[in-house]
Amino acid sequence: GQNIDQPTEMTATEGAIVQINCTYQTSGFNGLFWYQQHAGEAPTFLSYNVLDGLEEKGRFSSFLSRSKGYSYLLLKELQMKDSASYLCAVRDGDYKLSFGAGTTVTVRA
Amino acid sequence: ETGVTQTPRHLVMGMTNKKSLKCEQHLGHNAMYWYKQSAKKPLELMFVYNFKEQTENNSVPSRFSPECPNSSHLFLHLHTLQPEDSALYLCASSQGNLDSGANVLTFGAGSRLTVL
Repeated sequence: GQNIDQPTEMTATEGAIVQINCTYQTSGFNGLFWYQQHAGEAPTFLSYNVLDGLEEKGRFSSFLSRSKGYSYLLLKELQMKDSASYLCAVRDGDYKLSFGAGTTVTVRA
Repeated sequence: ETGVTQTPRHLVMGMTNKKSLKCEQHLGHNAMYWYKQSAKKPLELMFVYNFKEQTENNSVPSRFSPECPNSSHLFLHLHTLQPEDSALYLCASSQGNLDSGANVLTFGAGSRLTVL
């Protein structure tokens, strides 16, 4: 199967910046997704990267380096509502989508 | 109703029971999926339906039986489950199958299943 690694937990202070790393080893590559999942709720789409570089969407940015098998999700100006689990998902050469176990981010006042 | 709706939200069943999970999407999508989410583990793809046809069965035990009567509805029939099947079962839909462009999944909130 595919191997997708991300930290289990991260804690940060309101107003700060947090970077969630995701490394992957897949057979081929056809895009990387980030989803946000609040406790007891549905995962919701945050970002999609298929080419190297940074994609910015308001307070959230996602970066991809295909040669390094690496992505990060950057959350700026953290708010309490950003406390959630963040899922990294990679689509391999056969277009199979595999998820990481998720990173639980806790934002403290 | 908008988005992807799953019922029931919570289900407790014994190992000899038969129950069903229901998923409905109001997005006009053509593909629907069942995922299993266990604590601290990655989402596991179970089944994929594209235009009502099953296109993937990810080696799921036969005690889980999917049904897709139309592109808007998806069921997961459960019988003689084991305690290790306790998990959050997520339904998702997408415009096309996963091999089409930046195909984004829209998830339901899930059905929390506990098998006693």
